[in-house]
Amino acid sequence: EVQLVESGGGLVKPGGSLRLSCAASGFTFSSNGMNWVRQAPGKGLEWVSSVSSTSSYIYYADSVKGRFTISRDNAKNSLYLQMNSLRAEDTAVYYCARDGFSYYYGSGTYYHRPNFDYWGQGTLVTVSS
Amino acid sequence: DVQMTQSPSSLSASVGDRVTITCRASRSITSYLNWYQQKPGKAPNLLIYGASSLQSGVPSRFSGSGSGTDFTLTISSLQPEDFATYYCQQSFITPPTFGGGTKVEIK
Repeated sequence: EVQLVESGGGLVKPGGSLRLSCAASGFTFSSNGMNWVRQAPGKGLEWVSSVSSTSSYIYYADSVKGRFTISRDNAKNSLYLQMNSLRAEDTAVYYCARDGFSYYYGSGTYYHRPNFDYWGQGTLVTVSS
Repeated sequence: DVQMTQSPSSLSASVGDRVTITCRASRSITSYLNWYQQKPGKAPNLLIYGASSLQSGVPSRFSGSGSGTDFTLTISSLQPEDFATYYCQQSFITPPTFGGGTKVEIK
């Protein structure tokens, strides 16, 4: 059974930092791209960042580019999101989500076409003074 | 970015009703359209991928159709457990973007 378990959320002041983790199990973690998707309270879903299976390709939403860093450790079956310079508008539940579709082809080109086929339960990040 | 517009934003329906939700993309996304169901306090669940392919384990009363810019999610006979919010998401162009959601409520 695929399981994704996020941790690391909490209350942080504007300008502060936080590191989220996602522990994966039940599948070959190194075979799938991974993502962070967030949801502000009472709002819709917003994709935040993607990392390919080998970390060769990384993508960010414009809203977090330069402030957030996605990474993964395939030996530890773990995904991370380092969040710096946090703002009130970053307040949200952050979900770790597996990419069920994107893949490498040819001589290493990455076909980034993510669907999110498994999700964690989410971790709440609140940015407030 | 590709803008995804869902309609309606909410609807009321009865158990057994046929329900249709529409999603429109601001440019062609071919068939790279996915549908999710989200219940309160829970993570989203993938229902349909590639516009019309049913995700494993999802009941066959859910179906998807469309290509290009216009897509539809249909629930053929609404069940009590289907009352939730539904989101479309395009995966053709980075960044992947979601529609605003359609809340399906009990009439």
